[in-house]
Amino acid sequence: DVKVTQSSRYLVKRTGEKVFLECVQDMDHENMFWYRQDPGLGLRLIYFSYDVKMKEKGDIPEGYSVSREKKERFSLILESASTNQTSMYLCASSKWTGGNTGELFFGEGSRLTVL
Amino acid sequence: AQSVAQPEDQVNVAEGNPLTVKCTYSVSGNPYLFWYVQYPNRGLQFLLKYITGDNLVKGSYGFEAEFNKSQTSFHLKKPSALVSDSALYFCADAGKSTFGDGTTLTVKP
Repeated sequence: DVKVTQSSRYLVKRTGEKVFLECVQDMDHENMFWYRQDPGLGLRLIYFSYDVKMKEKGDIPEGYSVSREKKERFSLILESASTNQTSMYLCASSKWTGGNTGELFFGEGSRLTVL
Repeated sequence: AQSVAQPEDQVNVAEGNPLTVKCTYSVSGNPYLFWYVQYPNRGLQFLLKYITGDNLVKGSYGFEAEFNKSQTSFHLKKPSALVSDSALYFCADAGKSTFGDGTTLTVKP
């Protein structure tokens, strides 16, 4: 069974802390994505990556960075967490099909609370 | 502006009745449109997609969607709703990896 695993389901951090959210996929997918989900706002794309060591900004990259050192792992980093980054974070992966036609496989999500 | 829009925050239907969850798009070129479902406290699951070809696309759990180019719509449908279909549904533009705001479907017994 295909799987996208996010390292933490629930995190509580303090303002100013550095936060790492880890995501691993076992499907050998080229593409990986980080979204945040907030009620009434749907999913908003933070960053995505089409290959190892490559990254592209999504719609809301401010306050975030990412790292993709290995094909299976895509990390989201909050350099200095703020209360407005309290949210559900969803990682996803997809196979490169030459036109972004592959469906996304999602992890269970990481609910981050910043106090 | 979003490339896909879901005009209804909430849809309520009775079990056994047909359901429709609406999505409109504004994509230049060929649209790649997807539907996903999210059950409570879970990640999203893929339901179906339109890339090219037949305008009626069949997907998981008995769902289907109709691509209508003239109305720029991609509505999700099911002939007979189940209580277990109650969930949050998202339309997505795969070309931009963007999602609509979501529609909460509630099916009442």
